[in-house]
Amino acid sequence: QKEVEQNSGPLSVPEGAIASLNCTYSDRGSQSFFWYRQYSGKSPELIMSIYSNGDKEDGRFTAQLNKASQYVSLLIRDSQPSDSATYLCAVNTGYNQGGKLIFGQGTELSVKP
Amino acid sequence: KAGVTQTPRYLIKTRGQQVTLSCSPISGHRSVSWYQQTPGQGLQFLFEYFSETQRNKGNFPGRFSGRQFSNSRSEMNVSTLELGDSALYLCASRTGDDTEAFFGQGTRLTVV
Repeated sequence: QKEVEQNSGPLSVPEGAIASLNCTYSDRGSQSFFWYRQYSGKSPELIMSIYSNGDKEDGRFTAQLNKASQYVSLLIRDSQPSDSATYLCAVNTGYNQGGKLIFGQGTELSVKP
Repeated sequence: KAGVTQTPRYLIKTRGQQVTLSCSPISGHRSVSWYQQTPGQGLQFLFEYFSETQRNKGNFPGRFSGRQFSNSRSEMNVSTLELGDSALYLCASRTGDDTEAFFGQGTRLTVV
């Protein structure tokens, strides 16, 4: 079982729609969770962090965390063509070994005008 | 505040050579992690250093090594380069566990 898994995509949504990106993780002890956006040819940039169960909103982005289900999601409301990118879920794991930040494979999002 | 700086940005090396990549973290960040990114494998964890100590290592051969200096700057070294080592190498810095990590621009390594 992979430590962090994401929908492989690609995910295509029309402009103005809600894009939903999902992520599951294997380490029940994980305490911190992050979403990154990566444009083609660029390095990942942090867009959201979440530490507690529930929802966290930042502008058009909402991160959702359910530790019991070991599930993290990212919702993008009013999707814009500029949101077209690969979205990476990252989970801090392996605390008994000092901790490490592990990434999912990423979900490619395409927002069509 | 300066971001994470990686040098060089691009490298072309020949099979069998070795290479050293450098990463300067954000001021005050003591943790530096290295990742290899390829189209087929995504972001693969190489290792993490914290206060000059390697805390974690991913599933890479011993040809991949690293170190961290007292000023938190880090280097990674790849010896006996193989064609499959061609990738984007990214470093990320953070203050510690459970904190947000920020990436440098990466070093694009091409092995020919």
